[in-house]
Amino acid sequence: GESVGLHLPTLSVQEGDNSIINCAYSNSASDYFIWYKQESGKGPQFIIDIRSNMDKRQGQRVTVLLNKTVKHLSLQIAATQPGDSAVYFCAENRLGGSYIPTFGRGTSLIVHP
Amino acid sequence: DTAVSQTPKYLVTQMGNDKSIKCEQNLGHDTMYWYKQDSKKFLKIMFSYNNKELIINETVPNRFSPKSPDKAHLNLHINSLELGDSAVYFCASTTSGGASGELFFGEGSRLTVL
Repeated sequence: GESVGLHLPTLSVQEGDNSIINCAYSNSASDYFIWYKQESGKGPQFIIDIRSNMDKRQGQRVTVLLNKTVKHLSLQIAATQPGDSAVYFCAENRLGGSYIPTFGRGTSLIVHP
Repeated sequence: DTAVSQTPKYLVTQMGNDKSIKCEQNLGHDTMYWYKQDSKKFLKIMFSYNNKELIINETVPNRFSPKSPDKAHLNLHINSLELGDSAVYFCASTTSGGASGELFFGEGSRLTVL
């Protein structure tokens, strides 16, 4: 359920550092996971996805790790840049059928020049 | 060419009024959603709709109703607006049963109820 009263988790890093954003999901039946990036004043945008039959997937400067045993996802951003500053969400889904994608709380990433 | 477009982007209104937010997608998707984002950035599903099925989050007040004139549009109508309805509302779309469950979001509609 919704966590009322908690502030948005925030991660502050220096430009050039690597960033790791973590996410816990709740549904063991979820078989598809996506990371989204939401910049200020915009809608969430797809970054990278991973299916449950994988434990790692790499994109350009981003890597997603999936640990199904503990229902945990992480997003690693290499050489973080000021343009990476945004709120990051993980979402869990089940392909096929009418399952509705469910979003995690979100983490605000602040990159200092 | 905006894939998912919402109007209006900003909406300021008084308590008790009725308002609508429109959403259109030109991606040929068959499933559309409405999400509500609160001040803490939490994204909460309100409705999921395709041409076969409407799924309503049971916590959404019945003052909120989705209206879909066709597959490319899913509008959100809100009756008797309350202060707590102030939020950013996002429309999204996808293809059901596809190989990817990626959602495509609109830019959001910020609703302020005074």
